[in-house]
Amino acid sequence: QVHLEVSGGGVVQPGRSLRLSCAASGFTFSSYGMHWVRQTPDKGLEWMALIWPDGRDTYFADSLKGRISLSRDNAKNTLYLEMKTMRPEDSGLYYCVRSSDQWLYSPGSWGQGTLVTVSS
Amino acid sequence: DIQMTQSPSSLSASVGGRVTIICRASQSIGNYLNWYQQKPGKAPELLIYAATHLESGVPSRFSGSESGTTFTLTINGLHPEDFATYFCQQSYNPPLTFGGGTKVEVK
Repeated sequence: QVHLEVSGGGVVQPGRSLRLSCAASGFTFSSYGMHWVRQTPDKGLEWMALIWPDGRDTYFADSLKGRISLSRDNAKNTLYLEMKTMRPEDSGLYYCVRSSDQWLYSPGSWGQGTLVTVSS
Repeated sequence: DIQMTQSPSSLSASVGGRVTIICRASQSIGNYLNWYQQKPGKAPELLIYAATHLESGVPSRFSGSESGTTFTLTINGLHPEDFATYFCQQSYNPPLTFGGGTKVEVK
């Protein structure tokens, strides 16, 4: 059973950086692409980023390019997201999502998410 | 970026009723369209992939169809557990984009 546990959420001050980790279990982590998706009251569901199974390629939402980086450690079954210069509008629920079995670009199995609040 | 326009944003329906939700893509995406269901306080769950294929374990009362750049999610015979919010998402090309969601409420 796919399990994705996100840590690192909470309150972040404006202008500071956010670093999230996603610990994966229940599947062969190195065989799947991994996504980050966030959900905010203002924008609804917003896809943020995708990393290839081997970590060699990444894609980012245009609005976030230059502010986020994505990496993974397949030996530790862990995905990482770093986001710089956090703004109040970045507040929301951040999900770590495994690609579906059928297609790399399909967010398939979702973790429960972590709440991020950007506030001083 | 490919824009996904979903309608309606909300609807009311009765248990046993039929629901149709539309999603339109701003350009051709082939059949690279997913549907998700989200219940309050829970993460979204993949219902339908490649426009018409039901994810394992999804009841057959759910179905998807496509016509050009217009995609439809239909629920035939609403069950109480189907009252939720539904999202479409194009998986054709990054940046991946979601529709705005449709909240299905009890009439």
